[in-house]
Amino acid sequence: GENVGLHLPTLSVQEGDNSIINCAYSNSASDYFIWYKQESGKGPQFIIDIRSNMDKRQGQRVTVLLNKTVKHLSLQIAATQPGDSAVYFCAENLPSGAGSYQLTFGKGTKLSVIP
Amino acid sequence: DSGVTQTPKHLITATGQRVTLRCSPRSGDLSVYWYQQSLDQGLQFLIHYYNGEERAKGNILERFSAQQFPDLHSELNLSSLELGDSALYFCASSVKSTGELFFGEGSRLTVL
Repeated sequence: GENVGLHLPTLSVQEGDNSIINCAYSNSASDYFIWYKQESGKGPQFIIDIRSNMDKRQGQRVTVLLNKTVKHLSLQIAATQPGDSAVYFCAENLPSGAGSYQLTFGKGTKLSVIP
Repeated sequence: DSGVTQTPKHLITATGQRVTLRCSPRSGDLSVYWYQQSLDQGLQFLIHYYNGEERAKGNILERFSAQQFPDLHSELNLSSLELGDSALYFCASSVKSTGELFFGEGSRLTVL
């Protein structure tokens, strides 16, 4: 899939450095948050998720931080690699009671890794 | 490869026409979600089916409809197409107990 929008925020990072991608979410009642990565020509790919009863979760080379007070989510990528270049989306889920995850996606941030 | 298959990958049609997009979820996944990705609106949730039944509707136009068949594949029908319907349409499937959606590679619809 193509990058969303003509004016995506862009983050350029040197290979090997750490990246931090930020996201402001909209609804204080959202209970579940996910980061997705979308490479050119592909569908979004799950990276990491976090529930609202947590403030930090770590995966392999990635960490998600959740600050519910200011409705802010961040994704930290350690030792960024050229293969990390993509558009990153945060998504939030409002509990619906129907067992359905109706994710609301942010506009995305384009990460460019400089070799 | 997410395991979700979408066809066709590309589709070009004219205004007023009708198209059908097809999705085969990952083996064992009962949930199928449809999303639309456009330049101005980003990724938007359209509709969710679980084991053949509609579970939730999002920003889906009345000109659009979907269904999930007994073999769990799903179709999204778009009718009376307008220029603004040009977008990428993604299908995603999931295990019921998590929100981890596995997206297909999308169907790119161009309406001329």
